[in-house]
Amino acid sequence: AQSVTQPDIHITVSEGASLELRCNYSYGATPYLFWYVQSPGQGLQLLLKYFSGDTLVQGIKGFEAEFKRSQSSFNLRKPSVHWSDAAEYFCAVGATGFQKLVFGTGTRLLVSP
Amino acid sequence: DAMVIQNPRYQVTQFGKPVTLSCSQTLNHNVMYWYQQKSSQAPKLLFHYYDKDFNNEADTPDNFQSRRPNTSFCFLDIRSPGLGDAAMYLCATSTGYALAGSSGANVLTFGAGSRLTVL
Repeated sequence: AQSVTQPDIHITVSEGASLELRCNYSYGATPYLFWYVQSPGQGLQLLLKYFSGDTLVQGIKGFEAEFKRSQSSFNLRKPSVHWSDAAEYFCAVGATGFQKLVFGTGTRLLVSP
Repeated sequence: DAMVIQNPRYQVTQFGKPVTLSCSQTLNHNVMYWYQQKSSQAPKLLFHYYDKDFNNEADTPDNFQSRRPNTSFCFLDIRSPGLGDAAMYLCATSTGYALAGSSGANVLTFGAGSRLTVL
């Protein structure tokens, strides 16, 4: 069964600084990988996804993520963080067949002025 | 805009008093899911419907039931809520199951959630 680890529970970044959120997954085959963002009291919004092909994927709101098979990682990056990016970020892994997404425990991003 | 709508957004109930949460979608997606998300935890899948076929997760308590009367609507029934059932309940939809090499069938679209408080 697949699993996801997000090692950072909280991260604080200054506005305008770069951001990298870590995600490590465990799955025996090629995974389907996702990053979702959740603002307080809201549902989850898809930021980006990786299925195959180019290992650097671009998403919405200026986010990108890089799939590194050798490291079993799918880290999320943004070159310049905005105050509106403060939210909780979830990495998720899925597989073919029934799409049971397995989520990590999330990383809460705080943006300081 | 096509979307997933959950009602109510906030529900307060008493210990043991049944609750029903609803989810509607205008996406015409085949699959509808219910996730439970407790505070500071990852969303956890409770069950899903593929069309009319119900699929329960092995560890979902019997206290949780679901109905899907038509393509557009899906309901989550909590028969006797306990304090431990206080959580955000997320409905999601997808077009279908993922096929190897596909690029879209397994993307989930989430509603805004229903937050349940049990007194």
